[in-house]
Amino acid sequence: GNSVTQMEGPVTLSEEAFLTINCTYTATGYPSLFWYVQYPGEGLQLLLKATKADDKGSNKGFEATYRKETTSFHLEKGSVQVSDSAVYFCALSDDGGTGRRALTFGSGTRLQVQP
Amino acid sequence: GAVVSQHPSRVICKSGTSVKIECRSLDFQATTMFWYRQFPKKSLMLMATSNEGSKATYEQGVEKDKFLINHASLTLSTLTVTSAHPEDSSFYICSARGRTYEQYFGPGTRLTVT
Repeated sequence: GNSVTQMEGPVTLSEEAFLTINCTYTATGYPSLFWYVQYPGEGLQLLLKATKADDKGSNKGFEATYRKETTSFHLEKGSVQVSDSAVYFCALSDDGGTGRRALTFGSGTRLQVQP
Repeated sequence: GAVVSQHPSRVICKSGTSVKIECRSLDFQATTMFWYRQFPKKSLMLMATSNEGSKATYEQGVEKDKFLINHASLTLSTLTVTSAHPEDSSFYICSARGRTYEQYFGPGTRLTVT
């Protein structure tokens, strides 16, 4: 079956530090890969996605590259802000973009950015 | 656009009672909704897939008689936890599939069974 593994948190950084949250996956075929963010008291929001190998998803200064050879989709940001403090979830979907199947999520990584 | 709401956001109930959680797509129609359960420091685990006008499809290990799902309209799905017990205490999250096939998530419902 499908699975997603991400680094355990919490990750604590100072403002303007470089962020990497590792994510690796196991899936049959060619899944789509996602990063979701959950701010305190809010629902999950799509941060970025990539649908095929070597695609780079980017949004709000975050980026992640779909690496088929290493089955990875690591999240990076060059300079984090206090407002980036949240829980980040890596996820995959193998429904070919139809949305007919649920997502498989990693366990989430809490990011705490200190001023 | 593409907002999904859940009600209530928090609920505390006594053991043995039933609790209904609503999931609504506010500005779009959703033929498919998903219900997840999130344990502390754990991933979201899919409980069931809810399709409008048909029976829900439950994941292995999820008791369909305990977690009743009704998707009566294109904008509303409900999850009823029947005869709740303390081990049912959890964070329940729904998502709805929009026209662009992206999934939009509700803010979640924290259930505490005493």
